[in-house]
Amino acid sequence: GENVEQHPSTLSVQEGDSAVIKCTYSDSASNYFPWYKQELGKGPQLIIDIRSNVGEKKDQRIAVTLNKTAKHFSLHITETQPEDSAVYFCAASRQGSQGNLIFGKGTKLSVKP
Amino acid sequence: NAGVTQTPKFQVLKTGQSMTLQCAQDMNHNSMYWYRQDPGMGLRLIYYSASEGTTDKGEVPNGYNVSRLNKREFSLRLESAAPSQTSVYFCASSSGTIIHTDTQYFGPGTRLTVL
Repeated sequence: GENVEQHPSTLSVQEGDSAVIKCTYSDSASNYFPWYKQELGKGPQLIIDIRSNVGEKKDQRIAVTLNKTAKHFSLHITETQPEDSAVYFCAASRQGSQGNLIFGKGTKLSVKP
Repeated sequence: NAGVTQTPKFQVLKTGQSMTLQCAQDMNHNSMYWYRQDPGMGLRLIYYSASEGTTDKGEVPNGYNVSRLNKREFSLRLESAAPSQTSVYFCASSSGTIIHTDTQYFGPGTRLTVL
């Protein structure tokens, strides 16, 4: 079946450095790719998303790139801050009867001051 | 504007007991979802409702039932809880009915333990 693989599962960076999280997907029909941030004890919150008609999208320190040919997309966080520490999930849309999004297993990002 | 709210926040059940998790949204969204989150497994869809009056199975529906009570409310019921249903449950909603391309907004979650 369709799946989304996310790497790395944990990532530790120094404050001010950049962080990159990568996801690959299997369903060639996927056309919507959101990224969620989940802080401890809270629900996931959308931080950025991209649709298949664009290759890159940026919002301040966060950017997402999409390569549909290779079926992968990445989250880039620049100038990381301690409040960026959280678990990040990627997802890809899925057509058909089993619902709408397939989630990756998450990346725990730790930003050390 | 509270967004998506869930009750209760925490619950402990014994095997075989039943309970209903409640979810409500005040964003006038058409679609609502129930997910479970297990360590190392990401989020998996249990059931969803693309519009008032309709519900559909997701990836892991066994052992659960849902009710879309009205446009605002979507409940999840465990008829006979099992330890395998120990998890954190999230409700989410999105505005449209084309569910696979809509932004989803999540509630704070319900942490359920089944002994």
